[in-house]
Amino acid sequence: QVQLVQSGAEVKKPGASVKVSCKASGYTFKNYGINWVRQAPGQGLEWMGWINADNGNTNFAQSLQGRVTMTTDTSTSTVYMELGNLGSDDTAVYYCARDSGSGIKRGVFWGQGTLVIVSS
Amino acid sequence: DIQMTQSPSSLSASVGDRVTITCRASQGIRNSLAWYQQKPGKAPKVLLYDASSLESGVSSRFSGSGAGTEYSLTISSLQPEDSATYYCQQYYSVPLTFGGGTKVEIK
Repeated sequence: QVQLVQSGAEVKKPGASVKVSCKASGYTFKNYGINWVRQAPGQGLEWMGWINADNGNTNFAQSLQGRVTMTTDTSTSTVYMELGNLGSDDTAVYYCARDSGSGIKRGVFWGQGTLVIVSS
Repeated sequence: DIQMTQSPSSLSASVGDRVTITCRASQGIRNSLAWYQQKPGKAPKVLLYDASSLESGVSSRFSGSGAGTEYSLTISSLQPEDSATYYCQQYYSVPLTFGGGTKVEIK
């Protein structure tokens, strides 16, 4: 069965960077893309971006351009999302979500979420 | 960017009630719309995609409809386990965007 297992919670200081991993299993990794979505405490869902696991092409939310990178390691079927220059408003649960394939980016299978707290 | 306006932001209904949530897109999205259910502390779960296609394993009391810019999610007979927050999302164009969410409570 499809599984996405994310790395554990992180506490970071303002200005630092965080790198969250999402290890995929149960499907052919290169055939699907991965979305990243975050949710600040008590708030709604915010799409951050998407990476094509085959060729590494990415799309990012304009609000995060320049601060976010997404990469893949096909040898371990893992996707990474790194967010830099963290501020308090980056405190959120970060989710990875596999898309439905064929370039359709909607999230179908979701990871369990990774809590990132930004605090001095 | 396509803005998704979801309403109502919250509702309270009784078990057995028919509940409808609407989502309006700021431009046409050609049925590229998904509905998600999220319970506290959990990841979202997809209920419907392509506006009206039921995701595998999802109860048939959930249904979706709409076209163009107006879409809706209906729960035909509300059950206690349907207490959750529901989100719409358009995937017609990047950036993908979510509605603000509808919190459904059971009276």
